[in-house]
Amino acid sequence: GDSVTQMEGPVTLSEEAFLTINCTYTATGYPSLFWYVQYPGEGLQLLLKATKADDKGSNKGFEATYRKETTSFHLEKGSVQVSDSAVYFCALSGVRGSTLGRLYFGRGTQLTVWP
Amino acid sequence: DAGVIQSPRHEVTEMGQEVTLRCKPISGHDYLFWYRQTMMRGLELLIYFNNNVPIDDSGMPEDRFSAKMPNASFSTLKIQPSEPRDSAVYFCASSRTPGGGIYEQYFGPGTRLTVT
Repeated sequence: GDSVTQMEGPVTLSEEAFLTINCTYTATGYPSLFWYVQYPGEGLQLLLKATKADDKGSNKGFEATYRKETTSFHLEKGSVQVSDSAVYFCALSGVRGSTLGRLYFGRGTQLTVWP
Repeated sequence: DAGVIQSPRHEVTEMGQEVTLRCKPISGHDYLFWYRQTMMRGLELLIYFNNNVPIDDSGMPEDRFSAKMPNASFSTLKIQPSEPRDSAVYFCASSRTPGGGIYEQYFGPGTRLTVT
């Protein structure tokens, strides 16, 4: 079935370091791909999305490229800030009739950024 | 625009009591999702509705859990009787059938449930 596997955390970085959080997926068809972020005590918020192969989603300095050949959607940021400390979730959309509308989430990766 | 509204934000109850969590989706959204989040199990989809009809409830842990959506602007998740292992953060999310095929979900702030 459709699923997402993302990098186990926690990830701890110093401010201004480069961030990569790996995400790979298994899906039939051509799903849309998402990264959600959850700040402490809050619900998940959409960070970025991509709808087809080679699309690049970007927001707040974060980027991810939809790679069909490697079934990946890795999250990157060139210079992290303390305020980026949060849990990051990779997700894909169901594409079949019985799964339309739902999202399949990874386990989440905790990121902590130290000043 | 108001986002997804959940109530209560925090609930503390004793084992065996009935618990009802409430959700108001974003106006115009036709999908509604209930999730549970714990450290051990991560984010789990419990049930989701489309146009007020349950589509998939395979994630509901057991018969103690039930969910209803009597109309497009309100849903409840009920646990009866509650047990300590039900302690978790419960999220409601909603989305709209898109013209462009992109189903974006919007999450509420969650209800933190503690069962003692």
